[in-house]
Amino acid sequence: NAGVTQTPKFQVLKTGQSMTLQCAQDMNHEYMSWYRQDPGMGLRLIHYSVGAGITDQGEVPNGYNVSRSTTEDFPLRLLSAAPSQTSVYFCASTEGAEGANVLTFGAGSRLTVL
Amino acid sequence: QKEVEQDPGPLSVPEGAIVSLNCTYSNSAFQYFMWYRQYSRKGPELLMYTYSSGNKEDGRFTAQVDKSSKYISLFIRDSQPSDSATYLCAMSEGGSYIPTFGRGTSLIVHP
Repeated sequence: NAGVTQTPKFQVLKTGQSMTLQCAQDMNHEYMSWYRQDPGMGLRLIHYSVGAGITDQGEVPNGYNVSRSTTEDFPLRLLSAAPSQTSVYFCASTEGAEGANVLTFGAGSRLTVL
Repeated sequence: QKEVEQDPGPLSVPEGAIVSLNCTYSNSAFQYFMWYRQYSRKGPELLMYTYSSGNKEDGRFTAQVDKSSKYISLFIRDSQPSDSATYLCAMSEGGSYIPTFGRGTSLIVHP
């Protein structure tokens, strides 16, 4: 049982380039989300999905796109990378059952935009 | 003012000390209170969660919720160097998929 898998672990981009961060989970979780973590800022929600075909914006969605074609996968696309998008990105998922919706996080993707 | 306030630290303590980590919040609708631990260059992982008010104990860790004061705490007894990490509090309303996180407190336990 792999949990939440993120690729790549590290990436360096030039300003203006595009790329996709991959996220896959094998727990059949309905809810998936993307966060970015910056020093002193904590975790900030970018986009989330409550099921296949359903996505919505979080706190800091600008410059990012998502789609959810399957339950397992939730890729995050940077359309035109900017230095302000240098950050550590975490994908998370939860079952979405009654009660506390505890998140399972991936190991993170560290992105540097030059 | 953020919905959840957490002192970022760093908090540096000697091995064996009792550690107290705290968060305050403003949303009285929060019902679930969680603590995540994040080691350097890793993803956060759930340490404990509690529902509504009261205490919950798990080994050396105790989570405490005071809803009347909108204040939650995590106590670590007999702290170890392996406890050195960032501790994030998180809270959510009943049935919500989206927790609100504190900014995290960096804890350093030195031998």
